[in-house]
Amino acid sequence: AQSVTQPDIHITVSEGASLELRCNYSYGATPYLFWYVQSPGQGLQLLLKYFSGDTLVQGIKGFEAEFKRSQSSFNLRKPSVHWSDAAEYFCAVGAPSYDKVIFGPGTSLSVIP
Amino acid sequence: NAGVTQTPKFQVLKTGQSMTLQCAQDMNHNSMYWYRQDPGMGLRLIYYSASEGTTDKGEVPNGYNVSRLNKREFSLRLESAAPSQTSVYFCASRASGNSYNEQFFGPGTRLTVL
Repeated sequence: AQSVTQPDIHITVSEGASLELRCNYSYGATPYLFWYVQSPGQGLQLLLKYFSGDTLVQGIKGFEAEFKRSQSSFNLRKPSVHWSDAAEYFCAVGAPSYDKVIFGPGTSLSVIP
Repeated sequence: NAGVTQTPKFQVLKTGQSMTLQCAQDMNHNSMYWYRQDPGMGLRLIYYSASEGTTDKGEVPNGYNVSRLNKREFSLRLESAAPSQTSVYFCASRASGNSYNEQFFGPGTRLTVL
């Protein structure tokens, strides 16, 4: 069965600092991996996704993520955080021929001006 | 193009009352989903529908029923609301045929059961 863990429940960073949000998954083969962002009071929006190929994936809003098969990880990064990045971030895993996606518990990001 | 819409945005129920949450999408997607979001638990799948006329249980289906009225609409019904169903409910849709396709989410319904 697939599962997703996000070890950090809450992270606080200063504006302009770099950011890394961790995501680990459990799946027997290469999964489909997603990062979604949820701004306060809003639905979820896709930041980026990985299927195959280049293990470094670029997304919207200046985010990127790196797939590391050996570590079963798909960590999200941003070199310089903006105050508007304060939100909840969810990692999710899917699989070929599988119509459902499993979401992690989320990491809440606070940004100090 | 409105994407995924949900009604109502907020609702307060008393224990035992019933209600239906409405969801509609205008992207011609085949697959639709209902999730609940609770603090520290991420999104948990309640029910999903891979196509018009089909529905399947997700991770937490107890206490809920769904109807895929047509390709656009997917409703979630609480027959007898319980305080444990206090949550934020999200509807999502996805173009099927490739599970790599992203899900598009509605703005959510915040439900409180007293």
